[in-house]
Amino acid sequence: AAGVIQSPRHLIKEKRETATLKCYPIPRHDTVYWYQQGPGQDPQFLISFYEKMQSDKGSIPDRFSAQQFSDYHSELNMSSLELGDSALYFCASSDSGSSYNEQFFGPGTRLTVL
Amino acid sequence: DQQVKQNSPSLSVQEGRISILNCDYTNSMFDYFLWYKKYPAEGPTFLISISSIKDKNEDGRFTVFLNKSAKHLSLHIVPSQPGDSAVYFCAAHRAGNNRKLIWGLGTSLAVNP
Repeated sequence: AAGVIQSPRHLIKEKRETATLKCYPIPRHDTVYWYQQGPGQDPQFLISFYEKMQSDKGSIPDRFSAQQFSDYHSELNMSSLELGDSALYFCASSDSGSSYNEQFFGPGTRLTVL
Repeated sequence: DQQVKQNSPSLSVQEGRISILNCDYTNSMFDYFLWYKKYPAEGPTFLISISSIKDKNEDGRFTVFLNKSAKHLSLHIVPSQPGDSAVYFCAAHRAGNNRKLIWGLGTSLAVNP
């Protein structure tokens, strides 16, 4: 079965650079979530989109923005990168038509900021 | 304020024995609870879930128990296998349009051969 696809899997950037992470949800899933997981931490919710509209916002810095496109894929844009942005970034998708919110996660993008 | 708490950061169990992972929550509005399993450098994998209207859900070797009065749930793995060694996250959400998952900090399970 198709899973959530994230690209790139690894990314190395310098401080103050920008980065774009991409997420392709499971087919027919209309909701996408972004999470950030730092070393030894639980996943921190950043932002979510439903039908191309932002549906919820968590602890996403103002330097970050995201959007969901007509094909339901999503991109997380990160600017003015800081050392503390180094983390695993997970994307998850779900089907809003399901009774409960089983989110299915991608493999993550490991961002390293030097 | 951690609304979902996994008070044991790690657990070690012998292969073939039962693994019990615990999770407590503070928000009585949560109506759905999920367990995810995570291997290093991989995304969390959905494992099993339970609705607040039930007190038990079983799927193969995995059983989740919910005690609403105690605001406590547990994941039982029987029998434990070395491949079960991973970090297990408990998560919960409320009913309604905003079904954002609230996560615990995870419990690292090591199943020893």
